[in-house]
Amino acid sequence: AQSVTQPDIHITVSEGASLELRCNYSYGATPYLFWYVQSPGQGLQLLLKYFSGDTLVQGIKGFEAEFKRSQSSFNLRKPSVHWSDAAEYFCAVGAGDYKLSFGAGTTVTVRA
Amino acid sequence: KAGVTQTPRYLIKTRGQQVTLSCSPISGHRSVSWYQQTPGQGLQFLFEYFSETQRNKGNFPGRFSGRQFSNSRSEMNVSTLELGDSALYLCASSLRQGGDTEAFFGQGTRLTVV
Repeated sequence: AQSVTQPDIHITVSEGASLELRCNYSYGATPYLFWYVQSPGQGLQLLLKYFSGDTLVQGIKGFEAEFKRSQSSFNLRKPSVHWSDAAEYFCAVGAGDYKLSFGAGTTVTVRA
Repeated sequence: KAGVTQTPRYLIKTRGQQVTLSCSPISGHRSVSWYQQTPGQGLQFLFEYFSETQRNKGNFPGRFSGRQFSNSRSEMNVSTLELGDSALYLCASSLRQGGDTEAFFGQGTRLTVV
């Protein structure tokens, strides 16, 4: 069965600074990988996804992620954070069976 | 294009009661999945329905059940509610075509059991 680890529970970053959120997955084959963002009391919004091909994927809101098979990682990055990026971020892995396994999430706080 | 719609947004129920949650997927999407989100357990997969059939199921007791209608709308039912069932229940819809597993989530239903 697949699983996801997000090592950082909480990250605080200054507005305008860069952000990197870590995600490690466990799955025997090539996984389907996703990053979602959730604002308080809201559902999940898809930021980006990786199925195959180019290992650097671009998403919405200026986010990008890089798939590294050798490290079983799919880290999310943003060059310059805005106050509106404060939210909880979830990495998820799918095995093509429409059942997603989520990490525990990383809460991002943006300070002025 | 309308997104995934979940109703109601908020519910308060008493222990022992049952509850039904509804999810309308994005038009054209035929797969609906349900997830439970709690502070302690995080996001956990409940089940997935496609073409009115349950295709996948997570590790939840039989008190949790669901169904899907011919128009792809789905309902989730929880019987004999327990305090631990208090959670945000999220529904996701997928096209389920050509290997595309991208899931679009609704706003969720916040269930409080008292």
